[in-house]
Amino acid sequence: SQTIHQWPATLVQPVGSPLSLECTVEGTSNPNLYWYRQAAGRGLQLLFYSVGIGQISSEVPQNLSASRPQDRQFILSSKKLLLSDSGFYLCAWGTGTNGYTFGSGTRLTVV
Amino acid sequence: QKEVEQDPGPLSVPEGAIVSLNCTYSNSAFQYFMWYRQYSRKGPELLMYTYSSGNKEDGRFTAQVDKSSKYISLFIRDSQPSDSATYLCAMTTNTGFQKLVFGTGTRLLVSP
Repeated sequence: SQTIHQWPATLVQPVGSPLSLECTVEGTSNPNLYWYRQAAGRGLQLLFYSVGIGQISSEVPQNLSASRPQDRQFILSSKKLLLSDSGFYLCAWGTGTNGYTFGSGTRLTVV
Repeated sequence: QKEVEQDPGPLSVPEGAIVSLNCTYSNSAFQYFMWYRQYSRKGPELLMYTYSSGNKEDGRFTAQVDKSSKYISLFIRDSQPSDSATYLCAMTTNTGFQKLVFGTGTRLLVSP
């Protein structure tokens, strides 16, 4: 069966520090991968998606970047965090027609 | 105008009530419709999936799609406190990359 792992679960980082969130998927090959951010009380904002190794599409201009160094690994990064980067970050895999499977999320607080 | 509109709630009901959650959308090309449930501090999980129009039932949950009105609903019968969560609708077309478009979610509170 397919599983998705996301870590860490919680992160508190100072403004200006770097960020690296990792997501891995097991049990499937060449998945479509997604990074979402969910601000408190707000909906899901799609940040990046990837259809293959090294292929990244950005949905919104921002302080973040994404990379896909391996088929089932998706990384969200920032060189210098801003207060506005705080939120709940979710990784997902799947297709629109079959639905997405989400990871358990990372709660990031930038202080 | 957003592609998908969803009342944020919160919607508060007593245990045992029938709950109706709704979304409206503007893109007539949407063909796949889903409902996700998200508990606090957790990732969303797929609850119901419907293709095109019609109803789908799964236990206490029924999903309805009315494409003529661009309106989808999720009904929960005999609601339980464990149903307290945020419910997000999602939908996509059957052409192109088919990214899911999500509603903002409705928070449901079921009191014992």
